[in-house]
Amino acid sequence: KQEVTQIPAALSVPEGENLVLNCSFTDSAIYNLQWFRQDPGKGLTSLLLIQSSQREQTSGRLNASLDKSSGRSTLYIAASQPGDSATYLCAVGSGNTGKLIFGQGTTLQVKP
Amino acid sequence: DAGVTQSPTHLIKTRGQQVTLRCSPKSGHDTVSWYQQALGQGPQFIFQYYEEEERQRGNFPDRFSGHQFPNYSSELNVNALLLGDSALYLCASSPRTAGSYNEQFFGPGTRLTVL
Repeated sequence: KQEVTQIPAALSVPEGENLVLNCSFTDSAIYNLQWFRQDPGKGLTSLLLIQSSQREQTSGRLNASLDKSSGRSTLYIAASQPGDSATYLCAVGSGNTGKLIFGQGTTLQVKP
Repeated sequence: DAGVTQSPTHLIKTRGQQVTLRCSPKSGHDTVSWYQQALGQGPQFIFQYYEEEERQRGNFPDRFSGHQFPNYSSELNVNALLLGDSALYLCASSPRTAGSYNEQFFGPGTRLTVL
């Protein structure tokens, strides 16, 4: 059974700091991995999608990596801003329909 | 181009009642998945619809059922509501491409409160 874990559960950093969020999964047989952002009480905004054949994806200040063999992904946020404050969720796509299995998220607070 | 839309935004029901939630996928998408997100938790997969059929189901009881219409929109129905069904219900859509699994786009969710 696939399980996804995100560490840490919460993180508080000063503005401008570079930071790394971690995601691990137990079964390497995944189709893809997606990182999302969720603001309180809102839906999910897709940040990055990494296909199983890829090692990393970049979008602006965000960079996500994928290491299937070790069951790990990281989301790197450069030069953090207060507007980056949100919960970040990683999800692996698996099964015959690519259903997403989520971690519990990392809640990030960036202090001005 | 409208993204994924869901209605209603909020809903309050009492135990034992039935509820129907609605979702319209992003333009060009034909696959709809439903997820339940309890407070402080990651979303849990309920089921996925493609070509008006349920293609995969998560670990949810038969009280949870769904439907997909010819225009790809979808409904989630929950019968005999329990207090534990209180959650944010999220709809996600994606295009079905043979041999690959595509990015899923989520709607704003429906907040269901069961009293």
